Amino acid sequence: DSGVTQTPKHLITATGQRVTLRCSPRSGDLSVYWYQQSLDQGLQFLIQYYNGEERAKGNILERFSAQQFPDLHSELNLSSLELGDSALYFCASTTAGGGAGELFFGEGSRLTVL
Amino acid sequence: AQSVSQHNHHVILSEAASLELGCNYSYGGTVNLFWYVQYPGQHLQLLLKYFSGDPLVKGIKGFEAEFIKSKFSFNLRKPSVQWSDTAEYFCAVISLMDTGRRALTFGSGTRLQVQP
Repeated sequence: DSGVTQTPKHLITATGQRVTLRCSPRSGDLSVYWYQQSLDQGLQFLIQYYNGEERAKGNILERFSAQQFPDLHSELNLSSLELGDSALYFCASTTAGGGAGELFFGEGSRLTVL
Repeated sequence: AQSVSQHNHHVILSEAASLELGCNYSYGGTVNLFWYVQYPGQHLQLLLKYFSGDPLVKGIKGFEAEFIKSKFSFNLRKPSVQWSDTAEYFCAVISLMDTGRRALTFGSGTRLQVQP
């Protein structure tokens, strides 16, 4: 158990819909990272938040957005879903803001878009 | 941004065979390098990391990796694999994003299958 909690574990929805994935970081960790893992793209960095503020942005689509709340949990919002958005979405946390430390990953949220 | 290349996408070994998984990164000054492992159905876990110092890094479960600056490589090794090493292995590097911020960038992963 990494201490990072993600919900839901599995989610099936239809194209055009919107979903929200939730992540609770390890106790004391200020940084939250979101990654997308798909068969054809591998593990892609989406976005990072540090203590409520966006810190770094990777290959995140405009249809996707995220935020980190004062209690440090984070949500990843995916809208206007397409078949290609089907993937495993991982959240990871760390104490460091600069990305230099070890990341602790959650179990992931598996999204299936039909 | 820095990139990471893992050339072996799928490796099949018999138990007790030696393992070496390749990882190359693009040049970018100071590098922080990692190997993560993802066992079937589980989350990613850190195997080992290199920040500075001894270029031969020892990790958990008998894994080690060697940082060779001249070759931009950080290959993962294990002298004798076990069936329980069946997993996907990811090399990662701290990468400078276009925004000037840093984030961990992963390679495409190598799926290791160890046959009993």
